[in-house]
Amino acid sequence: DQQVKQNSPSLSVQEGRISILNCDYTNSMFDYFLWYKKYPAEGPTFLISISSIKDKNEDGRFTVFLNKSAKHLSLHIVPSQPGDSAVYFCAAGSNDYKLSFGAGTTVTVRA
Amino acid sequence: NAGVTQTPKFRILKIGQSMTLQCTQDMNHNYMYWYRQDPGMGLKLIYYSVGAGITDKGEVPNGYNVSRSTTEDFPLRLELAAPSQTSVYFCASTPLGWGSNEQYFGPGTRLTVT
Repeated sequence: DQQVKQNSPSLSVQEGRISILNCDYTNSMFDYFLWYKKYPAEGPTFLISISSIKDKNEDGRFTVFLNKSAKHLSLHIVPSQPGDSAVYFCAAGSNDYKLSFGAGTTVTVRA
Repeated sequence: NAGVTQTPKFRILKIGQSMTLQCTQDMNHNYMYWYRQDPGMGLKLIYYSVGAGITDKGEVPNGYNVSRSTTEDFPLRLELAAPSQTSVYFCASTPLGWGSNEQYFGPGTRLTVT
């Protein structure tokens, strides 16, 4: 039973434009959410997170939005850069320090 | 700090062979995790540990064993390798404490069982 879903396996965006990645979850007990970025042959690296008590968190070019009523979160990258081409994983957790991951979205930034 | 290190980077096993995937972290983190990632899938939790001497099963523990004798090391053991265990394995760690939910990942071990 997949509790975290990323329904778009891939996204192609032009350099300088906005990338929007979406993530849905089913478990209402999740109280924090994270986005990870992964390059080929490397481990995932933490990008940005948000607590369930917030609806927005911003860090430079990256902004995560949380809609608890819809059990939906999104990651906005603006402006998109070639180095942003990677796989992005959405993850969610609760107070047991375990994370549930989505299947990932591959982002390709075109020059 | 080296962070989370994993060895080996690659390994090919024959069906029925056994091996240990090594994981070490130098950040004094209490929590450590083993995940596997199959193509087109997210990371699935195999086992985790909340501290030395304490381990517990995750979503997909069958065919694997772990131990945690020190804070730094969290090896994953495959006893009788099967083709279904062909995957990329990631070890991760996180410190204990509220607001420390970010997990730090190693570079992964790519395992092929033929």
